[in-house]
Amino acid sequence: KAGVTQTPRYLIKTRGQQVTLSCSPISGHRSVSWYQQTPGQGLQFLFEYFSETQRNKGNFPGRFSGRQFSNSRSEMNVSTLELGDSALYLCASSLAPRGGSYEQYFGPGTRLTVT
Amino acid sequence: AQTVTQSQPEMSVQEAETVTLSCTYDTSESDYYLFWYKQPPSRQMILVIRQEAYKQQNATENRFSVNFQKAAKSFSLKISDSQLGDAAMYFCAYRSGGGSEKLVFGKGTKLTVNP
Repeated sequence: KAGVTQTPRYLIKTRGQQVTLSCSPISGHRSVSWYQQTPGQGLQFLFEYFSETQRNKGNFPGRFSGRQFSNSRSEMNVSTLELGDSALYLCASSLAPRGGSYEQYFGPGTRLTVT
Repeated sequence: AQTVTQSQPEMSVQEAETVTLSCTYDTSESDYYLFWYKQPPSRQMILVIRQEAYKQQNATENRFSVNFQKAAKSFSLKISDSQLGDAAMYFCAYRSGGGSEKLVFGKGTKLTVNP
């Protein structure tokens, strides 16, 4: 079974631009979460989707948005990029419809560099 | 809000020896789950071990075991017979039992394994 895939793997953007990152969960997984990883702030939760609905959102500005499609694939968008948005963006998928101790499987991440 | 603290930014261990990574957390919830994740350099994050808060018995997975002290809100990871492949960043994570997939991570501990 294929793992969580994220595209693109690397991205370089300029301040003020916008970017869209994609995540394909493991087949059968309906829950997708996004995290931002930086050396200074560590791993921070962005949002969580289940069955095309956003179930939870982290403490990020409105420039960060996301969505989930009917096939469970998810995208996140960052508009008006800032230098501080440079980070590794991780996507994770899970079988769980309602939490529990189900394992979350992480993708390899998208390394975004904003210049 | 829940917080997770890992007080050891870096640890080192000799191959075949045992090492313990510390983690404390703060929560007012009674239903939650705790996890240790491993992130090898430039590789995907993977789950090492999980613990349900309602279970008194400490979880074990081969060479990995935890010491879960619920009253002290402590969740340490013990790695026995350390191997070179254990070298990685280790993250302690908390998840509420209320249904969200949101993980709250500690800052991580970088483990070096010396041959």
